[in-house]
Formats: sequence, structure tokens, C-alpha cells
Amino acid sequence: TQLLEQSPQFLSIQEGENLTVYCNSSSVFSSLQWYRQEPGEGPVLLVTVVTGGEVKKLKRLTFQFGDARKDSSLHITAAQPGDTGLYLCAGAGWGKLIFGQGTTLQVKP
Amino acid sequence: NAGVTQTPKFRVLKTGQSMTLLCAQDMNHEYMYWYRQDPGMGLRLIHYSVGEGTTAKGEVPDGYNVSRLKKQNFLLGLESAAPSQTSVYFCASSYTSGGRTDTQYFGPGTRLTVL
Repeated sequence: TQLLEQSPQFLSIQEGENLTVYCNSSSVFSSLQWYRQEPGEGPVLLVTVVTGGEVKKLKRLTFQFGDARKDSSLHITAAQPGDTGLYLCAGAGWGKLIFGQGTTLQVKP
Repeated sequence: NAGVTQTPKFRVLKTGQSMTLLCAQDMNHEYMYWYRQDPGMGLRLIHYSVGEGTTAKGEVPDGYNVSRLKKQNFLLGLESAAPSQTSVYFCASSYTSGGRTDTQYFGPGTRLTVL
């Protein structure tokens, strides 16, 4: 069974701080996706990383796929209250997505 | 373009009652999925469909049934609801499977409480 472990599960920081969320697995994935979910809504795709070692930037968000394609990280620079939400990583395998437990981020003004 | 819609948005059931959740997508996607989301457990796949008339079991299929009679609709049924099925249910669709780069588009969710 493929599993994705996200850490930390909860994060509460002040506006302007930096943070990193980790997504780890013992399995190899063909690609890994990061979703963001706001209260009362469904998840929305932020990015897909495909190649081992790949780094993608989305404004203040930096996503990295591990060289062995088993882990990924999301780094947010100078967090803002608008970044508050649930961040989910999802690994693609066997035609389906396997989701991590999620990281709840709260950014206080 | 409405994307993915779910009906109803909220529902309260008594133990043993049955109900059907409806998911509709207008993006002509082949693949559709039903997930449940519980605190601290992320999204868990219940059933999915790779095309009209086909369905397959996901990670947590017990107690649920599905049907995909039309390409744009995916129904999730609970035959005899149990309190353990209290959850938020999300439907998603994608052009192809959850492969290397396919995006899954999610509906707004259905919050179900079983008393």
C-alpha cells in the first residue's frame, strides 16, 4: 500500500514568516501534485512535479520533487494571511491519486 | 462552465437510511472519482470510474455503491447509512486517469451526518 506522510499536520505562523511542508513516502511516484483547499470548498491544484529533482516556483511558493521521486516539499516565503488553508500532496500511481493527510496552515496578520 | 457540481450540499440521515449523492461535470471528462475527507486523514478514494458504464473500487469502498450511466454523471449510494459514514464527500473528474500530469477537478463537497 502506497502511503504519503505529510508534516507538519498543523502550522500557525505570523505574517511574513517562511515555512516548509514536507511530503514523504517509501514508494516511487510517477508525479506528485500539490493541492490547496479552503474551508467549504474542494481542493484546487497548485502544481504538478514530474521529474526527480524538479523545482517549480509559483510566486512565493516553491515546490521540489525529490531526486528519487519519493518525496516533495512546499516552501512558502513571506507567508500572508491569504495563504491560510489546507495543503495536500498527492502522488500519482496505478491510475489514481494517493493523498497525504494534509497540512493545515494558519497565517496570522 | 459549471465545472463539477454536487447535490446535495448538506444532509442529515438516521442510521439505516439510504441516500444517493449526485455528481455532475460538464468538462467531458472520462474519469470520475468519489472521495471522503475526514479530519487528519486527507482524502480517501471510495470508488472511481474510467468511463461511462464502468466503475472500480478504491481504498474504502465498503458500504458504498456507485453508478456511471451517463458520462457526465457519477452517483454515490449509501444503502444503509452508519455513523462511521459521517464525513465530507468530494467528487472529482479528470480528462484521463490520475496519471503523470492530469489535474483532478473537485466539486464543492457534500457534508453528510449520520445520527
